[in-house]
Amino acid sequence: QVHLVQSGGEVKKPGASVKVSCKASGYTFTGYGLSWVRQAPGQGLEWLGWISAYTGTTNYAQKFQGRVTMTTDTSTSTAFMELRSLRSDDTAVFYCARDRFAYGSGKDALDFWGQGTMVTVSS
Amino acid sequence: EIVLTQSPGTLSLSPGDRAALSCRASQSVSSTYLAWYQQKPGLAPRLLIYGASSRATGIPDRFRGTGTGTDFTLTISRLEPEDFAVYYCQHYGSSPSITFGQGTRLENK
Repeated sequence: QVHLVQSGGEVKKPGASVKVSCKASGYTFTGYGLSWVRQAPGQGLEWLGWISAYTGTTNYAQKFQGRVTMTTDTSTSTAFMELRSLRSDDTAVFYCARDRFAYGSGKDALDFWGQGTMVTVSS
Repeated sequence: EIVLTQSPGTLSLSPGDRAALSCRASQSVSSTYLAWYQQKPGLAPRLLIYGASSRATGIPDRFRGTGTGTDFTLTISRLEPEDFAVYYCQHYGSSPSITFGQGTRLENK
């Protein structure tokens, strides 16, 4: 049974960085890519980027280029998303989500999602 | 960048009704790369439809996706109480790789 379990909520000050983890189980971690998606309070879904857990290749949304870094630790089947230079409008729930197909390029629907991590940016 | 526009913003219906949710792309897209998600308050989105018309695992057959080109529709044939939620369409075939529509809220009248 596929599970993606994310780290707990964070409160950060403007200008700080946050690193969210996503631990996978129930499938071959290195067989799939993972996307990160965020949702501001009361708002829609926004894609931040994608990482291949088999090659480490990343693809970031242009809006977040230079401010986001996605990595994986295959030894623990965990993916990480770090967002830097936080602003108040970065306050959101951040989700990790798995590609539906193995060994894809990130152009895929997302079939399993983590439970979400609330990141609050406030002075 | 492909922009997805969903309509209506809010749809008020009753259990047993038929719901039709629209997703319009700013340019023609391959139906291979169009998905629909359902999201309930406090929960992560759930994949309903991929490839415009294929139901994801465990999704009841009252959910049906159709469309090509720029116009796509999610139809729920007979609404169940658990179907009232927010629905998002998603395109996943270009750069940036993934974009979402702004969502349609399906509320119980």
